[in-house]
Amino acid sequence: AQKVTQAQTEISVVEKEDVTLDCVYETRDTTYYLFWYKQPPSGELVFLIRRNSFDEQNEISGRYSWNFQKSTSSFNFTITASQVVDSAVYFCALYTGGGNKLTFGTGTQLKVEL
Amino acid sequence: DGGITQSPKYLFRKEGQNVTLSCEQNLNHDAMYWYRQDPGQGLRLIYYSQIVNDFQKGDIAEGYSVSREKKESFPLTVTSAQKNPTAFYLCASSSLLGTVSNQPQHFGDGTRLSIL
Repeated sequence: AQKVTQAQTEISVVEKEDVTLDCVYETRDTTYYLFWYKQPPSGELVFLIRRNSFDEQNEISGRYSWNFQKSTSSFNFTITASQVVDSAVYFCALYTGGGNKLTFGTGTQLKVEL
Repeated sequence: DGGITQSPKYLFRKEGQNVTLSCEQNLNHDAMYWYRQDPGQGLRLIYYSQIVNDFQKGDIAEGYSVSREKKESFPLTVTSAQKNPTAFYLCASSSLLGTVSNQPQHFGDGTRLSIL
């Protein structure tokens, strides 16, 4: 069975601080995909990144970066120089098998204050 | 612009009543999904459909029903059998084309359902 754990329920930082959101996953499949989504207060989920299990390269996109480590089954997300607009709930998700079914973590509420 | 439209944004249900949540997409996506989100929890899959006139139960299908008569539309009915329907419902779609069956799912803005 697949499982995604986001142990941090809520994180509060002051603007311009760096913040890392943790994601730990469990699967027996050797081929899988990991995702991060952002859910702003308006409610919709916004896709941020997809990473497959064969690509352990870290990725940077502007202030966002992702650290994928298969050895620890983790796919952590770092926001550098956080801004108030980063305030949202962030979900990590895992895809394996057929049916395009994503297994979501419980989310991390990030609050960035001035 | 292409996207997913969910309506209504807010919906209230009386005891014993069935209600239907609308989801329409103009992304030409084959697959559509319904998720339920409860406070402090991740999204849980209710139903999904990979092709017209076909759909499969997700992890929490009891008390819900769906139809997929058109590629663009995937309405969700919350029946009276669903005893705890208060939640945020998200519809999503994705392309199954090519080898990338793991396309990121595109989400609508959601419908918040409450009990009167």
